[in-house]
Amino acid sequence: SSELTQDPAVSVALGQTVRITCQGDSLRSYYASWYQQKPGQAPVLVIYGKNNRPSGIPDRFSGSSSGNTASLTITGAQAEDEADYYCNSRDSSGNHAVFGGGTQLTVL
Amino acid sequence: QVQLQESGPGLVKPSGTLSLTCAVSGGSISSSNWWSWVRQPPGKGLEWIGEIYHSGSTNYNPSLKSRVTISVDKSKNQFSLKLSSVTAADTAVYYCAREIAAASNWFDPWGQGTLVTVSS
Repeated sequence: SSELTQDPAVSVALGQTVRITCQGDSLRSYYASWYQQKPGQAPVLVIYGKNNRPSGIPDRFSGSSSGNTASLTITGAQAEDEADYYCNSRDSSGNHAVFGGGTQLTVL
Repeated sequence: QVQLQESGPGLVKPSGTLSLTCAVSGGSISSSNWWSWVRQPPGKGLEWIGEIYHSGSTNYNPSLKSRVTISVDKSKNQFSLKLSSVTAADTAVYYCAREIAAASNWFDPWGQGTLVTVSS
């Protein structure tokens, strides 16, 4: 079982703001990274560290953290943001990586 | 920019050993990064398999540790995965990725992935 917990599915109206959360004890010690995965494609990094976006990722994507919860926020969701989103961090020991179960985002 | 490409058999028999290689281009595998394998069963989420540093240091997912070996070949700028005693539950798309470890870690870039089916 995953040590990082995500809601299985979230929906958002086009142009609105959505927050996808990831919970786990290890997030008190480590930042989460976030990945977008569209059908048939490899995951793509969208947020890493405290709140950093790789080159080419739109600035409507942002990350935050509080206590044992990390959040990915999409401000002004677009149709192309419909995808699965996964969080990742180290486990409580720090010796292993772990992924959340993933959140399927639907843009209505 | 760094690019990764997985290769290996797409079909493995039950009880056999799955073997995959990840070729790294556009950068050196001896850079200060870890190199990881991640898999995704059809219709399911991502599962971290393990990681290796160019020195040969490894960390494995505890649930797979008894069956996994990850190795590095610096002369070929590639790293490899072996998973023994496979069953149908090991059927998945297998990805390799560069893991950047700072205060926290992240995976970027990823290979395109390769589907491995375990079947007789």
